[in-house]
Amino acid sequence: DTGVSQDPRHKITKRGQNVTFRCDPISEHNRLYWYRQTLGQGPEFLTYFQNEAQLEKSRLLSDRFSAERPKGSFSTLEIQRTEQGDSAMYLCASSRVGVAGVEQFFGPGTRLTVL
Amino acid sequence: EDQVTQSPEALRLQEGESSSLNCSYTVSGLRGLFWYRQDPGKGPEFLFTLYSAGEEKEKERLKATLTKKESFLHITAPKPEDSATYLCAVQASKNAGNMLTFGGGTRLMVKP
Repeated sequence: DTGVSQDPRHKITKRGQNVTFRCDPISEHNRLYWYRQTLGQGPEFLTYFQNEAQLEKSRLLSDRFSAERPKGSFSTLEIQRTEQGDSAMYLCASSRVGVAGVEQFFGPGTRLTVL
Repeated sequence: EDQVTQSPEALRLQEGESSSLNCSYTVSGLRGLFWYRQDPGKGPEFLFTLYSAGEEKEKERLKATLTKKESFLHITAPKPEDSATYLCAVQASKNAGNMLTFGGGTRLMVKP
């Protein structure tokens, strides 16, 4: 399977705990994106990388969130001191770099539940 | 600020009953408009990219069209397996990173 993969698929944690999610993009894609989706809503942009550089962060990304993409391959998204409002589906997408509209391909997501 | 509004929020069709989903957008310089399909508990699956007004794309029972202010996803003779949430998203030319701004989606249910 050469698509985007995410791990874990589901995570249940208690408020105040730290969690980390992993995303493996399509191998030839330079760009990697993180989105968050709550029930009944469309995905919202959080941050993106081009190769290993994190180039933009949404104002949705509080100080408790941090993302990395070492060596421009897989990426991790860490949430520290989780809150109940962090419960959502966290989606990773990847794309190639282009000037015209370039499609992004999404992984299956990680469903986070904060108790 | 870029905005995408989809209507209706939910749509119930009988198998074979054709219909259209609407996506209205406001964006400062459209780089691309995208349609995705999302099944429950899964990530969005890419369907189409439209770049300029007047463009049309087709795939099986789906046809996407684009004007300067909205896009339509036409579903011809739908089958129960077409049941899913359909998401519309835009990329703005001002965003070097090509991040997507999504609408809230239309939840489609096709009854046999």
